[in-house]
Amino acid sequence: DVKVTQSSRYLVKRTGEKVFLECVQDMDHENMFWYRQDPGLGLRLIYFSYDVKMKEKGDIPEGYSVSREKKERFSLILESASTNQTSMYLCASSSSDGHYGYTFGSGTRLTVV
Amino acid sequence: EDQVTQSPEALRLQEGESSSLNCSYTVSGLRGLFWYRQDPGKGPEFLFTLYSAGEEKEKERLKATLTKKESFLHITAPKPEDSATYLCAVQVSNTGKLIFGQGTTLQVKP
Repeated sequence: DVKVTQSSRYLVKRTGEKVFLECVQDMDHENMFWYRQDPGLGLRLIYFSYDVKMKEKGDIPEGYSVSREKKERFSLILESASTNQTSMYLCASSSSDGHYGYTFGSGTRLTVV
Repeated sequence: EDQVTQSPEALRLQEGESSSLNCSYTVSGLRGLFWYRQDPGKGPEFLFTLYSAGEEKEKERLKATLTKKESFLHITAPKPEDSATYLCAVQVSNTGKLIFGQGTTLQVKP
């Protein structure tokens, strides 16, 4: 069964901490994406990557960075966590042309206190 | 600007009461339209892809249709287990990037 795996389901971090969210896919997909999902705001794209070591900003990149050193792994980094980054974070992957849409991970619920 | 709008935001149905969810889009060039189902606290799960106007796809009690301006997700005789948020998304380029609507939250009461 093909999968996108996010390393944590729930995380609680303190304000100012550096936070790493990890995502691994086993489908040999070229594209990987990080979204956050908040009530009333829907899914908002933070960053995406079309290839190893490639990254592009999405709609809300401020306060975040990403790393893609291997094709199967895409990491989201919160440099200094703030309470307004409390959210559900979703990772997704797709083939290069996106023909079959995204496969999503199960999400990480991050709470920053 | 490319935009996807879903309506209604929330829908309550009695078990067995059929209805439709709407996804309207304004995009420069549609390459594909996708429907996902999302249960609370989980990631979205793929339901359907539609590529051209007139296309229809079915799965159990769900049927998705596509016109040049909108898509409908028809739910026939829904059951409580159909309760979820349904997301619509469009692909407008060959980059694989999707634009999502805000979703319709469906509640089916027994």
